[in-house]
Amino acid sequence: AQSVAQPEDQVNVAEGNPLTVKCTYSVSGNPYLFWYVQYPNRGLQFLLKYITGDNLVKGSYGFEAEFNKSQTSFHLKKPSALVSDSALYFCAVRGIGTGGFKTIFGAGTRLFVKA
Amino acid sequence: DVKVTQSSRYLVKRTGEKVFLECVQDMDHENMFWYRQDPGLGLRLIYFSYDVKMKEKGDIPEGYSVSREKKERFSLILESASTNQTSMYLCASSFDWNEKLFFGSGTQLSVL
Repeated sequence: AQSVAQPEDQVNVAEGNPLTVKCTYSVSGNPYLFWYVQYPNRGLQFLLKYITGDNLVKGSYGFEAEFNKSQTSFHLKKPSALVSDSALYFCAVRGIGTGGFKTIFGAGTRLFVKA
Repeated sequence: DVKVTQSSRYLVKRTGEKVFLECVQDMDHENMFWYRQDPGLGLRLIYFSYDVKMKEKGDIPEGYSVSREKKERFSLILESASTNQTSMYLCASSFDWNEKLFFGSGTQLSVL
């Protein structure tokens, strides 16, 4: 069965410092991985995805993610955090259903960026 | 831009009522999904559909059913609402399995 783990409920970082939000996954076959962000009182928005190719994926708002096959990880990173990055972040993996594919999400990590 | 519209932002229902949550997307997407979001549990998949009249159970289908009579509309039905179904319900759609999901704004359902 496919699964996603986000080991940290919350990450705190000072503005201007680099940030990392961790994600590990378990899936049969090639992994298709995603990061989404949820700002307060707003719907989820897509940040980036890994399908194949370069292990470092660049996405929206200056975020990037590093795919590591041997560690089955897909950590989200940003070189310099902004207060406006404070939000709830979800890692997701494409899983296989009976008749089609489905996207499975982790529990989420709340990021606090302090000025 | 793709728009995924959920019919209600807030909904209050009583235990035992039959509840319909409606979702419409305007981009001819094949795939549609219903999730519920609870603090500390993330998003959990209830049902998804990969074609008109086709549906598949997600990870937590108990107490729910769905209907997809037209490609653009995917309805979630709570047959007999219970207090443990109080949650934020999110609808999403995607063009293809490898593509990103587009989410609606969510429906905060309270069952009293």
